[in-house]
Amino acid sequence: EAGVAQSPRYKIIEKRQSVAFWCNPISGHATLYWYQQILGQGPKLLIQFQNNGVVDDSQLPKDRFSAERLKGVDSTLKIQPAKLEDSAVYLCASSLDSAANTEAFFGQGTRLTVV
Amino acid sequence: KQEVTQIPAALSVPEGENLVLNCSFTDSAIYNLQWFRQDPGKGLTSLLLIQSSQREQTSGRLNASLDKSSGRSTLYIAASQPGDSATYLCAVSGSARQLTFGSGTQLTVLP
Repeated sequence: EAGVAQSPRYKIIEKRQSVAFWCNPISGHATLYWYQQILGQGPKLLIQFQNNGVVDDSQLPKDRFSAERLKGVDSTLKIQPAKLEDSAVYLCASSLDSAANTEAFFGQGTRLTVV
Repeated sequence: KQEVTQIPAALSVPEGENLVLNCSFTDSAIYNLQWFRQDPGKGLTSLLLIQSSQREQTSGRLNASLDKSSGRSTLYIAASQPGDSATYLCAVSGSARQLTFGSGTQLTVLP
């Protein structure tokens, strides 16, 4: 079974530039998550999709961050404009989310450095 | 708001020791609890998932317990090996299946 795919693996941008990350979840997984992990901290939820609807985006900085999940499969996360404090690893995860199986599986992440 | 705490933040042990990592959470109304492993520069690997109705789960040398009423979970690693060196993260799942993570325990197993 293929895992969660993310690209790119690394990205370096200057502050005020824009950047986009892509995630392809495990086939058939209804729920997709984007997490931000700052060095030395645990991942923090940015947004959660159920199919192509948003379940929770309460911690997403909506003035600069946006995310979409078209057709309930792939997802993109965009930052525009980026700030220095956005430097982090952005993790995508998915889960089957049936009553019997809610285990979350994570991708390798995208390491963003804003200079 | 759910808060998850992991103690200790870092742990260094000699190879062969048995060890326990601790996780506590403030809201006992959880759906499940997951333990993850994270190697430097890598994503998260799921180790064990405990449903809220379960008390423990085992996989090889790993055993995770859950006491929902007291808001605690432990991850027991038997006969530790240098390859076990990584950061271990605990996460609890709420009613909407969102995961709230602790800050992790960085484990170093010395040869």
